[in-house]
Amino acid sequence: QKEVEQDPGPLSVPEGAIVSLNCTYSNSAFQYFMWYRQYSRKGPELLMYTYSSGNKEDGRFTAQVDKSSKYISLFIRDSQPSDSATYLCAMSATSGTYKYIFGTGTRLKVLA
Amino acid sequence: DAGITQSPRHKVTETGTPVTLRCHQTENHRYMYWYRQDPGHGLRLIHYSYGVKDTDKGEVSDGYSVSRSKTEDFLLTLESATSSQTSVYFCAISGRGGVTYEQYFGPGTRLTVT
Repeated sequence: QKEVEQDPGPLSVPEGAIVSLNCTYSNSAFQYFMWYRQYSRKGPELLMYTYSSGNKEDGRFTAQVDKSSKYISLFIRDSQPSDSATYLCAMSATSGTYKYIFGTGTRLKVLA
Repeated sequence: DAGITQSPRHKVTETGTPVTLRCHQTENHRYMYWYRQDPGHGLRLIHYSYGVKDTDKGEVSDGYSVSRSKTEDFLLTLESATSSQTSVYFCAISGRGGVTYEQYFGPGTRLTVT
């Protein structure tokens, strides 16, 4: 079993929909959680960073961590065609570590 | 952009040949990383560096070596390329201002080993 599991998709939604992207993990020591966005043939870029449990909001994006269920989510409100990309979750046990475990990514398509 | 470049961007090489990929940064980040990205596996850490001449192994380091002789450059060498090393390789940097969790990624190098 992988430490981090992520549905590869593709997930297709109409423009304006609310999108929910998820990752599950098995290592209860993970405390630092990130979401990256990766456009086709580009490097990933950091979208959201969350420490421990709870929610964090940034514009149309909300990151949610449920450590009791070992489950993290990224919500995108009012999705746009420009949100079409692959979304990767990443997590780590400590802030000083350089070894983040990445999910395989979920490919999202927002249809105009 | 975080001032990070990779070269070459594309390479086709034959099995058994050595290959060196270069990552160059202009932002004075302390930490540098090499990842590979493959379908079904996501990003996997090959090696990382936490300072000049200071490097350590990641999750999938077999068959790879790295060197960092100055802050700006981090080289990844495939000592004898194999078809299983066909992948997209990403360099990343972090650490400026003491922030380690935010990694900035380069544009990637597509390597094909025939």
